[in-house]
Amino acid sequence: NAGVTQTPKFQVLKTGQSMTLQCAQDMNHEYMSWYRQDPGMGLRLIHYSVGAGITDQGEVPNGYNVSRSTTEDFPLRLLSAAPSQTSVYFCASRPDRGRGETQYFGPGTRLLVL
Amino acid sequence: AQKVTQAQTEISVVEKEDVTLDCVYETRDTTYYLFWYKQPPSGELVFLIRRNSFDEQNEISGRYSWNFQKSTSSFNFTITASQVVDSAVYFCALAMIYNQGGKLIFGQGTELSVKP
Repeated sequence: NAGVTQTPKFQVLKTGQSMTLQCAQDMNHEYMSWYRQDPGMGLRLIHYSVGAGITDQGEVPNGYNVSRSTTEDFPLRLLSAAPSQTSVYFCASRPDRGRGETQYFGPGTRLLVL
Repeated sequence: AQKVTQAQTEISVVEKEDVTLDCVYETRDTTYYLFWYKQPPSGELVFLIRRNSFDEQNEISGRYSWNFQKSTSSFNFTITASQVVDSAVYFCALAMIYNQGGKLIFGQGTELSVKP
């Protein structure tokens, strides 16, 4: 199993550009989520999905869109990048045995918005 | 409100010293889960341990041990005989199982530096 994979590893954008951060998992997990990590703030939930076709907002959803057309993939879209979106983005997935199960994280995508 | 506090922003020790990373949490839920993750310099997040609110037994895994005390809402992590490879940022997290699909509330992290 590859686990949770994310692409790209690093991206530089100009303000106003759009892009999609890719996330995939091969563990057949129904639950997937996106977090952003900022210095001194730990990780904060952006969006999550409890299964294909079902998504919902987390703590900091503004400026981001998600969709979940398959169990495996959960892309995160930045519609119009802003410098405040400079961050490290982590995708995670979790087995379906309950909400207290462990979330496993991908390697992260480091995004710089100029 | 749900909250996790890691008051130690940075800790520096010399190899072979023992070190304890503190984690204090707040929740009104009676059922909850606590986690520790390690983030080495390479940047990935590595799962270390999961503990539910009904299991207060301390756990030991090699040089790592965890002390969970509901009375003080703490879930502290001790590394015995630290090694340079233990240098990383360590995050404590609380799972909100009744909200937002079970999102994780993270502390701010403690950066541990182990010097040879």
